[in-house]
Amino acid sequence: AQSVTQLGSHVSVSEGALVLLRCNYSSSVPPYLFWYVQYPNQGLQLLLKYTSAATLVKGINGFEAEFKKSETSFHLTKPSAHMSDAAEYFCAVSDRGFKTIFGAGTRLFVKA
Amino acid sequence: EADIYQTPRYLVIGTGKKITLECSQTMGHDKMYWYQQDPGMELHLIHYSYGVNSTEKGDLSSESTVSRIRTEHFPLTLESARPSHTSQYLCASSGGGPNEQFFGPGTRLTVL
Repeated sequence: AQSVTQLGSHVSVSEGALVLLRCNYSSSVPPYLFWYVQYPNQGLQLLLKYTSAATLVKGINGFEAEFKKSETSFHLTKPSAHMSDAAEYFCAVSDRGFKTIFGAGTRLFVKA
Repeated sequence: EADIYQTPRYLVIGTGKKITLECSQTMGHDKMYWYQQDPGMELHLIHYSYGVNSTEKGDLSSESTVSRIRTEHFPLTLESARPSHTSQYLCASSGGGPNEQFFGPGTRLTVL
């Protein structure tokens, strides 16, 4: 069975500081991994995805994530936070089949 | 422009009413999904479809029903709304490849 754990339901950073959102997964087969972002009153939007090519994946808006099989992690980072990054972020895992399992989400606050 | 649409965006309705939440996509995707999302919680899959005339129940038990008569259209119906149905409902679609999903903006349902 697959599962996703996002560490920290809320993360607060200052503008210009490093953003680190943590995600650990469990999967019995090589997974596909995703990060989505949700702005208020909107649906989810794909930030980036890992599909077994390069372990360091670059996404939109300056975000990137690194797949670490030994740690079963897929943490999301951005070197310098911007006010517009304030949103909810969801990590997700797919077993290459039909279903995708989503984490509970991490709300990112960016302080001026 | 390829997109996924949901209507209505907001709905407030009384107990016992029948409602239909609409979802349409213009990307030609075979796979479509309905998720239920409550604040601070992961997305819960309530229905999915592999294609026309194919529908399945998801992991979260739901009293709603769905239909897939056309590729682009995947409506969700509640025969008799109850306050426990109050939630946000997200529709998504997916084409081939690693199951990357495209989400609509959501319908926020409130049942009084």
